[in-house]
Amino acid sequence: NAGVTQTPKFQVLKTGQSMTLQCAQDMNHEYMSWYRQDPGMGLRLIHYSVGAGITDQGEVPNGYNVSRSTTEDFPLRLLSAAPSQTSVYFCASSPGLSNQPQHFGDGTRLSIL
Amino acid sequence: EDQVTQSPEALRLQEGESSSLNCSYTVSGLRGLFWYRQDPGKGPEFLFTLYSAGEEKEKERLKATLTKKESFLHITAPKPEDSATYLCAGGRSGGGADGLTFGKGTHLIIQP
Repeated sequence: NAGVTQTPKFQVLKTGQSMTLQCAQDMNHEYMSWYRQDPGMGLRLIHYSVGAGITDQGEVPNGYNVSRSTTEDFPLRLLSAAPSQTSVYFCASSPGLSNQPQHFGDGTRLSIL
Repeated sequence: EDQVTQSPEALRLQEGESSSLNCSYTVSGLRGLFWYRQDPGKGPEFLFTLYSAGEEKEKERLKATLTKKESFLHITAPKPEDSATYLCAGGRSGGGADGLTFGKGTHLIIQP
């Protein structure tokens, strides 16, 4: 069972560079989300999607773009990396029912120099 | 504004020493209270969902309970392998992917 797969696991970028964090799930879940986790803070929602072609902003969307062309994939794009975006990024998916738990990937650890 | 507060931030126990972790929440129209376990370098792993006050769920040495304002994660006779960060999240009504508010977690260390 692959579940939610995130790539890469680690990445170092220079300020101003762009990159895409990949997320794929094989559970046919409708809902997918991106969170960031910083020391001393809870998981914060960046963007989410309730189905292919539908995305919306979460709590901290600035500096990030998303798209959802298929049910399986939900990439997160950093347009122009900033040191404040140094964080651990988690992708999650859930079946789409409001009382179902989210399943998380193992994260991408991103450092912006 | 939805808020989830976990206490203590960190807890160190001896093996076999039972204790409880607290999660206080103010979430509009709570649809579910979720508990997760997170190991270093890993993503959160789902443990329990509680839907209504008075509900209890158990898994091995863990038992989660829910009141109208709080949830507790009771750990009975813990073992070193129970060491992890435990996260609590409240889900508001009408939301799925967008409706979770997470606490900062309790870092639990069980010493042999």
